[in-house]
Amino acid sequence: GAVVSQHPSWVICKSGTSVKIECRSLDFQATTMFWYRQFPKQSLMLMATSNEGSKATYEQGVEKDKFLINHASLTLSTLTVTSAHPEDSSFYICSALNRDRGSTGELFFGEGSRLTVL
Amino acid sequence: QQQVKQSPQSLIVQKGGIPIINCAYENTAFDYFPWYQQFPGKGPALLIAIRPDVSEKKEGRFTISFNKSAKQFSLHIMDSQPGDSATYFCAARLKAAGNKLTFGGGTRVLVKP
Repeated sequence: GAVVSQHPSWVICKSGTSVKIECRSLDFQATTMFWYRQFPKQSLMLMATSNEGSKATYEQGVEKDKFLINHASLTLSTLTVTSAHPEDSSFYICSALNRDRGSTGELFFGEGSRLTVL
Repeated sequence: QQQVKQSPQSLIVQKGGIPIINCAYENTAFDYFPWYQQFPGKGPALLIAIRPDVSEKKEGRFTISFNKSAKQFSLHIMDSQPGDSATYFCAARLKAAGNKLTFGGGTRVLVKP
């Protein structure tokens, strides 16, 4: 199956610093990638939709300036948590829509990135 | 309209039992219904998916039953094994909204040996 890689898988940072998380589709091109946030024992909450070459579309309540998303190529999207604070600690997961399989709607998920802000 | 309601929140079965997870939706524009399996600390992995024009789909030990008129669908895990212990999420896709997935709340399944 298609592979989506996230990096780093876990990161610990100090409050006030910025953290970048990468999401790569390794064996397919993804015109669309999605970023989710998941709190312990809860479901996935969609944060934003990332489209290659255009601005991300954010869900209601998600701060655009806090969570910067860039989708510069068909295989890479990045999420930058700016001026991170402890309340930003969470599990961040990306998913990618296979361009060739767009009609099936099949999304491939990354392994997630655990962010802990001290 | 965008919600997908999933039940139960948790489920315990003996090995060989058949956990059944149910989901209900309101928006008839949803056009694709996948199920995901997630282990702790990992991303979700697609298990099986169904379209609304099909009433049942089987893949290995996993079966989806779909009732379009009731706007409900369910996952059955046949001959469950301890390795199936995980959290399961149903989801629904709205293609018109850019293939966004709306997830159910999740069901934690524990299969006892």
